[in-house]
Amino acid sequence: DGGITQSPKYLFRKEGQNVTLSCEQNLNHDAMYWYRQDPGQGLRLIYYSQIVNDFQKGDIAEGYSVSREKKESFPLTVTSAQKNPTAFYLCASSIKRRLTNEKLFFGSGTQLSVL
Amino acid sequence: GQQLNQSPQSMFIQEGEDVSMNCTSSSIFNTWLWYKQDPGEGPVLLIALYKAGELTSNGRLTAQFGITRKDSFLNISASIPSDVGIYFCAGQYSGGGADGLTFGKGTHLIIQP
Repeated sequence: DGGITQSPKYLFRKEGQNVTLSCEQNLNHDAMYWYRQDPGQGLRLIYYSQIVNDFQKGDIAEGYSVSREKKESFPLTVTSAQKNPTAFYLCASSIKRRLTNEKLFFGSGTQLSVL
Repeated sequence: GQQLNQSPQSMFIQEGEDVSMNCTSSSIFNTWLWYKQDPGEGPVLLIALYKAGELTSNGRLTAQFGITRKDSFLNISASIPSDVGIYFCAGQYSGGGADGLTFGKGTHLIIQP
C-alpha cells in the first residue's frame, strides 16, 4: 500500500536533548512538509522540501532542522534550542512542487512530549 | 500572512442532525481543501474545491467554494457517530503551491447519543 509512514508514534525528549522524527513516503511525491499541531490550533508549517537536497523554512522553523537526502525520506530533528517542543508533529507530501491546486496527504503523526 | 477564521470552534449535536461549518479569509484563495482528523491521527482529505461557486459532494458531505473566493462551507447531512472528529479547512492562494496552504483552527464535532 502506498502512503506516508511516520515513526515513532510517541516520543519523549529530555532537557537538552535532540530528537529525530522519521517520515517516509512511497507515493513518489516530489514535495514533503513538516507541520506542528498544538491543541485547538491550526497546522503551522515548520519546513518543506520541493526536491531532493533542497529545503525551505516555514513559519516556525526556529529550533528545528531537516534533511532531504532521498526523495522518499524527510526526517525532522527537534533540537535543544526548541524550548517548547511538546506537540503533535505531522509529515505530509504532495505530488509536485509549487503547483497551484496541490493537495496535501498526511502521515499519522508523532506525539512528542518533554520529560 | 493569510488569516483564516473557521467557525464554529466546536459543535455538540444529536445523531441524525445536519451540520454546517465555514471558513472565511481576509484574502482571496484559488483552492479550498477540507480535511477530517480523528484523535491521534493525521488529517484525511475530504473534498477539494478549485473554482468560485463550485459545489462538490462526497457521500453525505457537501462543500462549496464561495463566490467571493474568500470563504468556503462544509455541510454534513444526517450525522452518524463516525463523523466525530476535527474538521479543518485550508486555503491556497494563487501560485502558492502546497507550501502556500493556510489552515483554519478546526471545528470539533461531537455527537451526543
